Amino acid sequence: NAGVTQTPKFRVLKTGQSMTLLCAQDMNHEYMYWYRQDPGMGLRLIHYSVGEGTTAKGEVPDGYNVSRLKKQNFLLGLESAAPSQTSVYFCASSRGYNEQFFGPGTRLTVL
Amino acid sequence: QQQVKQSPQSLIVQKGGISIINCAYENTAFDYFPWYQQFPGKGPALLIAIRPDVSEKKEGRFTISFNKSAKQFSLHIMDSQPGDSATYFCAASNRRETSGSRLTFGEGTQLTVNP
Repeated sequence: NAGVTQTPKFRVLKTGQSMTLLCAQDMNHEYMYWYRQDPGMGLRLIHYSVGEGTTAKGEVPDGYNVSRLKKQNFLLGLESAAPSQTSVYFCASSRGYNEQFFGPGTRLTVL
Repeated sequence: QQQVKQSPQSLIVQKGGISIINCAYENTAFDYFPWYQQFPGKGPALLIAIRPDVSEKKEGRFTISFNKSAKQFSLHIMDSQPGDSATYFCAASNRRETSGSRLTFGEGTQLTVNP
């Protein structure tokens, strides 16, 4: 089992560009999450999904969109990147309210 | 608004010593308190978790102490080893909510254990 995988691992964008981060899990988990990690601020929840076709806003959703068209995939989109979105992005999945399993992260820099 | 406050921000301990990391929360509806461990370049991984019906949980060298009245919980690492050097995050959730899987994380503590 690969667990939770994220694509890409690194990305540099210019202000105003768009991109999509892909998260995939092979554990048949219902719940999936997108977090951002910034120094001194811990992990903050961006959006999450409790099942295929569902999404919900987390703590810091502005500037991001998500889609969960397939149970195993959770996509995070930035329509018009801003320097404030420079961060490390983590995807996670869980079976209900249990342990969350995290991916290796995507380091995004917006110039 | 940070609902879970974590301290210290960084901690240096000698090998064999005790590492103590503290967290305080505001939301009295929280009923699940996990600790995650993160090594450089990796995603966080669950280390140990506690529910508020017990005051302490121990797994090997790792112990969570929980004080419901003070709304505080802490992680104790006994006999700290260089391999324990990592960033530690406390977290909390309210499992009775419909979005009960959501975790609120503390700011993180960077632990360094010197040999």
